[in-house]
Amino acid sequence: GAVVSQHPSWVICKSGTSVKIECRSLDFQATTMFWYRQFPKQSLMLMATSNEGSKATYEQGVEKDKFLINHASLTLSTLTVTSAHPEDSSFYICSARAASGGANTGELFFGEGSRLTVL
Amino acid sequence: AQKVTQAQTEISVVEKEDVTLDCVYETRDTTYYLFWYKQPPSGELVFLIRRNSFDEQNEISGRYSWNFQKSTSSFNFTITASQVVDSAVYFCALSESNTGKLIFGQGTTLQVKP
Repeated sequence: GAVVSQHPSWVICKSGTSVKIECRSLDFQATTMFWYRQFPKQSLMLMATSNEGSKATYEQGVEKDKFLINHASLTLSTLTVTSAHPEDSSFYICSARAASGGANTGELFFGEGSRLTVL
Repeated sequence: AQKVTQAQTEISVVEKEDVTLDCVYETRDTTYYLFWYKQPPSGELVFLIRRNSFDEQNEISGRYSWNFQKSTSSFNFTITASQVVDSAVYFCALSESNTGKLIFGQGTTLQVKP
């Protein structure tokens, strides 16, 4: 099946620094990517919807200036956690929706997730 | 508003037992999609099934089966003859009109003991 890759898988950073997480669709084009956050022993919560070439749409309560999302190409979306603090420590998961026309049209694929720990 | 409820927080069974994970959803849309995902301890999400609102046929895939009942807004998941490798957190999710935006249930932690 189609593959979505996230990098890094895990990252530890100091409070106040910024961290960038990449989400790539390896074998299909994704016009839309989604970013979710999962705190320990909790469910996944949608943070934002990222459309290629346009601004991301953020869910209520998610600070767009803190969680910068860029979707510059059909295969790459990035999430940057700016000025990270310990409460931002979480598991961040992206998903990509395959663009029309391919074998996986409309299908949704998840990345492996990135675990962020802010000290 | 959309909502997915997985009332069972944790389930513990002994290997070879059958186990059913419940999922109840709420939506005002007539077209929607339901999903089940497995999240093993490693963290990644493993897709198990997608079912659209117009297809109420039950589905069986190996030891897995799903019972979709629109009348009760439920999409339950049964594992037959459970195995230790089935131990994971299982999420039920809802997407309106297959937009890709998923609303997840709280998850059910399944522990299968040898």
